[in-house]
Amino acid sequence: KAGVTQTPRYLIKTRGQQVTLSCSPISGHRSVSWYQQTPGQGLQFLFEYFSETQRNKGNFPGRFSGRQFSNSRSEMNVSTLELGDSALYLCASSLLAGGVSWELFFGEGSRLTVL
Amino acid sequence: SQQGEEDPQALSIQEGENATMNCSYKTSINNLQWYRQNSGRGLVHLILIRSNEREKHSGRLRVTLDTSKKSSSLLITASRAADTASYFCATDTQGGSEKLVFGKGMKLTVNP
Repeated sequence: KAGVTQTPRYLIKTRGQQVTLSCSPISGHRSVSWYQQTPGQGLQFLFEYFSETQRNKGNFPGRFSGRQFSNSRSEMNVSTLELGDSALYLCASSLLAGGVSWELFFGEGSRLTVL
Repeated sequence: SQQGEEDPQALSIQEGENATMNCSYKTSINNLQWYRQNSGRGLVHLILIRSNEREKHSGRLRVTLDTSKKSSSLLITASRAADTASYFCATDTQGGSEKLVFGKGMKLTVNP
């Protein structure tokens, strides 16, 4: 069974630009969560989508948004990029919603560098 | 915001030795999970322990949970060079929103 696929794996943007990251969950998984990982802040929860609905949102500004499609694939978008948005963005899928009572399956991440 | 905090932040041992990592958290939980991350890669789930469990085993891994002390430990026995990675504990918050909150992680280096 294919794992969680994130694209692109690496990207470089400049301040003020916007970026869209994609995540394809494991087949049959309906929940997709996004995390931002930086050396200073560690893993920070961005949001979770389940059946195309945002179930949970972390403490990030409105520049960070996401969506989920009917096939459970998810995208996240960051507008007006800032230097501090440089991070590894991780997507995780799970069969059911919440992810607190069962394991999350992570993708390899998208490493974003903002110059 | 971090719920869990791993200790020590870094540990270096020789192959064959045991490695113990600790996690402390602040509020009551339903479950606690441990994950491993190889450098710059995605996280891999290791084990989940529920709040009504005290100990759980999986291969060379042993996890304990002490809810009265709000702490958990992960023991890796007979470590191998391939165990070199960062290890994270993750918790939910009882009565809180259903999201998993990760600690900042602990770097384990196993020297061959």
